[in-house]
Amino acid sequence: GDSVTQMEGPVTLSEEAFLTINCTYTATGYPSLFWYVQYPGEGLQLLLKATKADDKGSNKGFEATYRKETTSFHLEKGSVQVSDSAVYFCALSLYNQGGKLIFGQGTELSVKP
Amino acid sequence: EAQVTQNPRYLITVTGKKLTVTCSQNMNHEYMSWYRQDPGLGLRQIYYSMNVEVTDKGDVPEGYKVSRKEKRNFPLILESPSPNQTSLYFCASSLLQGGVLHFGNGTRLTVT
Repeated sequence: GDSVTQMEGPVTLSEEAFLTINCTYTATGYPSLFWYVQYPGEGLQLLLKATKADDKGSNKGFEATYRKETTSFHLEKGSVQVSDSAVYFCALSLYNQGGKLIFGQGTELSVKP
Repeated sequence: EAQVTQNPRYLITVTGKKLTVTCSQNMNHEYMSWYRQDPGLGLRQIYYSMNVEVTDKGDVPEGYKVSRKEKRNFPLILESPSPNQTSLYFCASSLLQGGVLHFGNGTRLTVT
């Protein structure tokens, strides 16, 4: 079935370090891909998205490229800040399944000053 | 302000006592959905609704009910809660199916 696999957390980094959170997917069709972020005590909010192969989503210094050949959508940021501490969820959506979002298990990021 | 509002934020109850978690959105979205979040499992869809009076099961619907009598509201009903329904619940909405989801701030439910 369709699924999303993320690297396990927690990930602990120092401020200004480079961040990569790996995400791979399995899908029967051509999904749209998303990264959502959940700050402590809040709901999820969209960070970035890509709807077709080779698209790059970007927002707030974060980037992810839709790689169809490796079925991946890794999240990267060149220099993290303490305020980036949150849980990050990779997700896919298939139109032929009613637009349901299928989430990975989430990766907790903790950035230390 | 465009938002999805869930109530209550925290709820502690006992096994078998019926409860309702409310969800309301002010964005005129057609699509609404309920998820539960459990450690190590990510978010799993409970029920969703494509429009008024149109609801369908998600991946983990057992023990839950929903209704969509008005476009803005999508309550989650637990007729007879059990301890395995202790979880963090999120309501979400989007303009259309497959669109960007807007989430509420969550309801943390504990069933003893």
